[in-house]
Amino acid sequence: DAKTTQPPSMDCAEGRAANLPCNHSTISGNEYVYWYRQIHSQGPQYIIHGLKNNETNEMASLIITEDRKSSTLILPHATLRDTAVYYCIVMDSSYKLIFGSGTRLLVRP
Amino acid sequence: GAVVSQHPSRVICKSGTSVKIECRSLDFQATTMFWYRQFPKQSLMLMATSNEGSKATYEQGVEKDKFLINHASLTLSTLTVTSAHPEDSSFYICSIKGATSYEQYFGPGTRLTVT
Repeated sequence: DAKTTQPPSMDCAEGRAANLPCNHSTISGNEYVYWYRQIHSQGPQYIIHGLKNNETNEMASLIITEDRKSSTLILPHATLRDTAVYYCIVMDSSYKLIFGSGTRLLVRP
Repeated sequence: GAVVSQHPSRVICKSGTSVKIECRSLDFQATTMFWYRQFPKQSLMLMATSNEGSKATYEQGVEKDKFLINHASLTLSTLTVTSAHPEDSSFYICSIKGATSYEQYFGPGTRLTVT
């Protein structure tokens, strides 16, 4: 079973920041938080991952709370092409990605 | 990230026949490959994990004799759906992982329709 819970859907206006929350209250100390997204009928695309510290790359920022029980993916300036299902996944030492239901993000023009 | 291809991208087959789906890592040594399937409006479900040169490990509820996985090289894994039935119609997606990295990179998927 997936170890994460996410809201089923969210929307934001184009050009605004999209903040996608994720709860992972049972995460263990050595488990990473990964974010992927899937645009309709395509394979998932890696976005970012982190363990304890906040992370940033060219696509997004990942903010992990100090107790590691939740995190937020931030798309700083959402575009229409960011409309997708976003998956927050906790990866254990087996390296398996167990997908939950994800958050369907709709970016409005 | 790594470039992963799948072939074919779409396939239609008749019930009772077998279908082979290829997953290739074009620029990355994939020591581990994963196979997923995704039914319409559902999330991805992990089917099996394969390490190069070893037998695949299947998730609970996935029949190993029905979904044959071969991972003979660091760049190629195949999934064969044997004696396909309409309920096997799905989107099949592979992902790859290297020996020293945590990230997994996904292929574009193969849509299988069994008539």
